[in-house]
Amino acid sequence: DVQLVQSGGGVVRPGGSLRLSCAASGFTFNDFGMSWVRQVPGKGLEWVSGINWDGGATGYADSVKGRFTISRDNAKNSLYLEMSSLRAEDTALYYCARGSSYGYRYNWFDPWGQGTLVTVSS
Amino acid sequence: DIVMTQTPLSLSVTPGQPASISCKSSQSLLHSDKKTYLYWFLQRPGQPPQLLIYELSNRFSGVPERFSGSGSGTDFTLKISRVEAEDVGVYYCMQSVQLPNTFGQGTRLEIK
Repeated sequence: DVQLVQSGGGVVRPGGSLRLSCAASGFTFNDFGMSWVRQVPGKGLEWVSGINWDGGATGYADSVKGRFTISRDNAKNSLYLEMSSLRAEDTALYYCARGSSYGYRYNWFDPWGQGTLVTVSS
Repeated sequence: DIVMTQTPLSLSVTPGQPASISCKSSQSLLHSDKKTYLYWFLQRPGQPPQLLIYELSNRFSGVPERFSGSGSGTDFTLKISRVEAEDVGVYYCMQSVQLPNTFGQGTRLEIK
């Protein structure tokens, strides 16, 4: 089965840092771009960041640019999101998602991970 | 950023009846490669979104034939020919012709 299993997340104080992980299985990880999408509970979806198949190209939403870093380790079939300078408005359920091609542009997303909750609160 | 606007925001449908959701984009989603980068997702309660339709009108693997996507340029529609109980959830359109990918606000479908 194609699967994305997420870990990390939790409660962090404003200004703090957190690292999310996404472990892929059931497919050739380095054949696909990957993205992170977040959702404030009960609200809509926001694309956060994307990375191409070898990590050589990345993109970010303006809301996280300069604070979040996406990366991947193809030897470990894993995707990461390093989050720093966290703000209350970053509180959300974060999903990793597989893209539909080698890049991270012009993609659809399937499958998605189960989601991991990040709460930024003092 | 491209703004995606869905209507209605909610609808209540009797099983067996059709349903239709509209999505309008602030810019054309037609790329020079002739593809329209418009997608539809369903998020069932407590679940991550799942892909229904890709590139305007292509049903994703395993998606029932009762789901169809249509439209062009900036106006798009998701139709369900005969709603079933399992179709309950929130439907989102999404564009990927221009970064950042952006989503509609979502349309909540409930069963009468």
